[in-house]
Amino acid sequence: AQSVTQLDSQVPVFEEAPVELRCNYSSSVSVYLFWYVQYPNQGLQLLLKYLSGSTLVKGINGFEAEFNKSQTSFHLRKPSVHISDTAEYFCAVSPSGGSYIPTFGRGTSLIVHP
Amino acid sequence: DVKVTQSSRYLVKRTGEKVFLECVQDMDHENMFWYRQDPGLGLRLIYFSYDVKMKEKGDIPEGYSVSREKKERFSLILESASTNQTSMYLCASSFGGGGSPLHFGNGTRLTVT
Repeated sequence: AQSVTQLDSQVPVFEEAPVELRCNYSSSVSVYLFWYVQYPNQGLQLLLKYLSGSTLVKGINGFEAEFNKSQTSFHLRKPSVHISDTAEYFCAVSPSGGSYIPTFGRGTSLIVHP
Repeated sequence: DVKVTQSSRYLVKRTGEKVFLECVQDMDHENMFWYRQDPGLGLRLIYFSYDVKMKEKGDIPEGYSVSREKKERFSLILESASTNQTSMYLCASSFGGGGSPLHFGNGTRLTVT
């Protein structure tokens, strides 16, 4: 079984400032890692994923995340946010073998102020 | 581009009614999922299906059932709606394998009065 902890339920930030959304996971097996974004009144869409290889993963809209196996973390970063980045962000993990069902964190609401 | 379509954006039903939420995907995905999303609780898995007529319970299946008669369609059924089932319901699909991301519909916001 695996679990995901998103340490911040809400992150307020000013436009053009950098942001980091934190995600930690626990699992007894190797995992794949994902970040999804949910804009108001929409479903979730994939931002980026880590399957293997380079631990720094780049996604859409200028976001990137770094997989840190020793710290079991997969934090999401953006160097300069826009108002349009205001959304809910979900971290998810799924086991690399066996069950493919992902486990989601509770989400972090990113609020970008002008 | 993968499209997952949920038949209704908003639904209002009365307590005790039988409610059907429909979901259709157009990418021949093997796996389909129903999640419930509530503030502060994130996404909780209700049921999933890995093939036609196959289904498995998720974390919160009580009060729900599902049907998958065709590969592209996955229906969520509330046998007798209750007020505590007022929520946002999200359908998703994916190819087989844990490395495949989920593709989500836009959700159905269900209110049970």
